[in-house]
Amino acid sequence: NAGVTQTPKFQVLKTGQSMTLQCAQDMNHEYMSWYRQDPGMGLRLIHYSVGAGITDQGEVPNGYNVSRSTTEDFPLRLLSAAPSQTSVYFCASSPRGGPPANSPLHFGNGTRLTVT
Amino acid sequence: ELKVEQNPLFLSMQEGKNYTIYCNYSTTSDRLYWYRQDPGKSLESLFVLLSNGAVKQEGRLMASLDTKARLSTLHITAAVHDLSATYFCAATWGSTDKLIFGTGTRLQVFP
Repeated sequence: NAGVTQTPKFQVLKTGQSMTLQCAQDMNHEYMSWYRQDPGMGLRLIHYSVGAGITDQGEVPNGYNVSRSTTEDFPLRLLSAAPSQTSVYFCASSPRGGPPANSPLHFGNGTRLTVT
Repeated sequence: ELKVEQNPLFLSMQEGKNYTIYCNYSTTSDRLYWYRQDPGKSLESLFVLLSNGAVKQEGRLMASLDTKARLSTLHITAAVHDLSATYFCAATWGSTDKLIFGTGTRLQVFP
């Protein structure tokens, strides 16, 4: 059981480049989310999705786009990377609806992104 | 807007001692979670607290929730080196699906 898989693990971009961080889960979880982790700031919610075709903004959505065409995948797109987007990005998922809704998030191993 | 604050941000403690990490949140929340993160690693779930007065324990860690005070605590009993990590609390924003994290408490346990 792979759980939540993020690719790539590391990425270096130049300012203005675009890229997509991939996230896939094989647990049939309805809820998926993206966080960024910066030193001294904990984890901040970027975007989240409660099911295929449904997405919503989190705390820091600017500069990022998401889509959810399938239950399994939730990619995060940076359209024009900026140095301020240098961070570690975590994707997470959980069941939703009924008692399992109280289950904690399952996190991927993270993507370390550097924008120069 | 939900704000989640933890204190202390950094905690250095001797093995065998007890201590408490505090997590305050600013508005009504349905659920409160505690996570652990080892350096360079992902986050691991520790506890889910769902109701006022909820208490959960696992080994040397015990978490509690007071929804009226909007406060959760993570109590460490007789600390050991293996507990060295960063601990995060997170709260759901009202009845939404937004899970908001605190800034984390970095715990170091020394002999």
